[in-house]
Amino acid sequence: EPEVTQTPSHQVTQMGQEVILRCVPISNHLYFYWYRQILGQKVEFLVSFYNNEISEKSEIFDDQFSVERPDGSNFTLKIRSTKLEDSAMYFCASSEDRGAGNTIYFGEGSWLTVV
Amino acid sequence: GQNIDQPTEMTATEGAIVQINCTYQTSGFNGLFWYQQHAGEAPTFLSYNVLDGLEEKGRFSSFLSRSKGYSYLLLKELQMKDSASYLCAVRGTGGGKLIFGQGTELSVKP
Repeated sequence: EPEVTQTPSHQVTQMGQEVILRCVPISNHLYFYWYRQILGQKVEFLVSFYNNEISEKSEIFDDQFSVERPDGSNFTLKIRSTKLEDSAMYFCASSEDRGAGNTIYFGEGSWLTVV
Repeated sequence: GQNIDQPTEMTATEGAIVQINCTYQTSGFNGLFWYQQHAGEAPTFLSYNVLDGLEEKGRFSSFLSRSKGYSYLLLKELQMKDSASYLCAVRGTGGGKLIFGQGTELSVKP
């Protein structure tokens, strides 16, 4: 069964450093998402991406965050200058379409620890 | 605003049936989804409802009433491996994002 893959699975970084999290969405999917989950809290929407541009973003997704689809398969989330509060699990997700009947599939996540 | 409520914790017995409720108030609605999440892992898709009524998938069923802003997930013949967090999520219009509730931590005991 096709799946969303993410790298790295774990990353520890120092505060102020840049981090890039990588994702390979399911190959025929057109909509891509990043979510995050701080330990013990709910899954929070960050950004959705379609046709090489951001279609929607949350208040969390400020100027420190950016997304890119550098080639036909990868989808990346960059955090320019990490803060302690960025420590969380980051999930990439994708769906074939945005309509009601289309399921969003999640990758296994990237644990980010900022020290 | 957007608000999705579900109980924080539930406990049930192996072999029994459990119902996890979810109420929602959202500015746009394009389906209600249920995911299962084990600690430290990704949410995995269980079921979704777009129209009112019951959807059945094996041991899992989900119900939706759009007029009441209410859904439930029904788990039958509970197994120990069903111990997990169950996430209720509403899909919005626009970019199709999911907005999640806090999750219901289900403990299945022998």
